[in-house]
Amino acid sequence: QKEVEQDPGPLSVPEGAIVSLNCTYSNSAFQYFMWYRQYSRKGPELLMYTYSSGNKEDGRFTAQVDKSSKYISLFIRDSQPSDSATYLCATNTGNQFYFGTGTSLTVIP
Amino acid sequence: NAGVTQTPKFRVLKTGQSMTLLCAQDMNHEYMYWYRQDPGMGLRLIHYSVGEGTTAKGEVPDGYNVSRLKKQNFLLGLESAAPSQTSVYFCASSFGPRLEETQYFGPGTRLLVL
Repeated sequence: QKEVEQDPGPLSVPEGAIVSLNCTYSNSAFQYFMWYRQYSRKGPELLMYTYSSGNKEDGRFTAQVDKSSKYISLFIRDSQPSDSATYLCATNTGNQFYFGTGTSLTVIP
Repeated sequence: NAGVTQTPKFRVLKTGQSMTLLCAQDMNHEYMYWYRQDPGMGLRLIHYSVGEGTTAKGEVPDGYNVSRLKKQNFLLGLESAAPSQTSVYFCASSFGPRLEETQYFGPGTRLLVL
């Protein structure tokens, strides 16, 4: 079982929609969770990170962790065409980082 | 300030050939990482380094070697390339392993092994 599982999509939404991206993880010891955004033919860039359970908001983006169900989510409000990218969830333990496979998102104008 | 750069951007190899991928960062980061990204597999850590002169194995180290002779450079070597090593390789660097110490990724190297 992979440390982090993610639905690859693809996901296509109209501009202005609320987007929900989700991952599950296997090890209850994981405490830190990250969301990266990767544009086509580019390296990933960190969007947000959260620690343990709860929500964290940054502009139109909200990251949520539910440790009881080992579920992590990223919500994008008022989605824009510039949000079209692949979104990867990740976690780490020590010096090891584990990434999901990524969800491809297209926001249609 | 170039951030993280990778050389080359694209390479085609024949099975059994060798090559070295170069990663350079100008942010004075201690930690450097090499990942491969494959469809359906996501990003997987190959090797990493916590400082000049140190290296350690990640999740998928077999078939690769690394060296960190200078703080700003992290080299990934393939001694005898195999088709299974066809992938996109990303280098990353950070000040440390803590969550708030963001990993900065390079633009990637696309490798095709025939």
